[in-house]
Amino acid sequence: AQSVTQLDSQVPVFEEAPVELRCNYSSSVSVYLFWYVQYPNQGLQLLLKYLSGSTLVKGINGFEAEFNKSQTSFHLRKPSVHISDTAEYFCAVSTTSGTYKYIFGTGTRLKVLA
Amino acid sequence: EAGVAQSPRYKIIEKRQSVAFWCNPISGHATLYWYQQILGQGPKLLIQFQNNGVVDDSQLPKDRFSAERLKGVDSTLKIQPAKLEDSAVYLCASSLLSSYNSPLHFGNGTRLTVT
Repeated sequence: AQSVTQLDSQVPVFEEAPVELRCNYSSSVSVYLFWYVQYPNQGLQLLLKYLSGSTLVKGINGFEAEFNKSQTSFHLRKPSVHISDTAEYFCAVSTTSGTYKYIFGTGTRLKVLA
Repeated sequence: EAGVAQSPRYKIIEKRQSVAFWCNPISGHATLYWYQQILGQGPKLLIQFQNNGVVDDSQLPKDRFSAERLKGVDSTLKIQPAKLEDSAVYLCASSLLSSYNSPLHFGNGTRLTVT
């Protein structure tokens, strides 16, 4: 069975500062990895995904993430955050074979301070 | 394209009452999911449909929760009777395929409060 861990429940950061949101996973099979963002009172929307190929993935709103197989991590980064980036961010994993499962982490609340 | 539609947006009921949520996925999306998101937690899959068949309902509390997807399009999720711990946001999502790399498209959810 696979699992997803987001160690940081909240991350405060000042506007225009860089940010990294951490995600680690465990799985006995190869996985696909995703980051979703959830703004207040809205559903989740896809930020970016890693399926194969280059380990550095670029997404919307200036976010990027790097897949590190040896460390089983998929950390999300942005070089300069804006107030509008304040939201909840979820890492998710799906299996590439066997029983299809789509699992979400517990989320990291990013709060951008003026 | 129109997104995933859910209704109602908010619902307040007393424990032991029943409630139903409705979801209309993106046109052409074969796979539909219902997730439960308790405050401070990530979404937890309740049930997954492929067209009108159930793919996974292993985490659905079947003694009180039921779901159906008639004609492979709209879906309803029902809770009867509701408990206090059912207070959560219920998210509906759809994807084009039930494949491992297909991203999910979410509705805005229904926030249920059980008093």
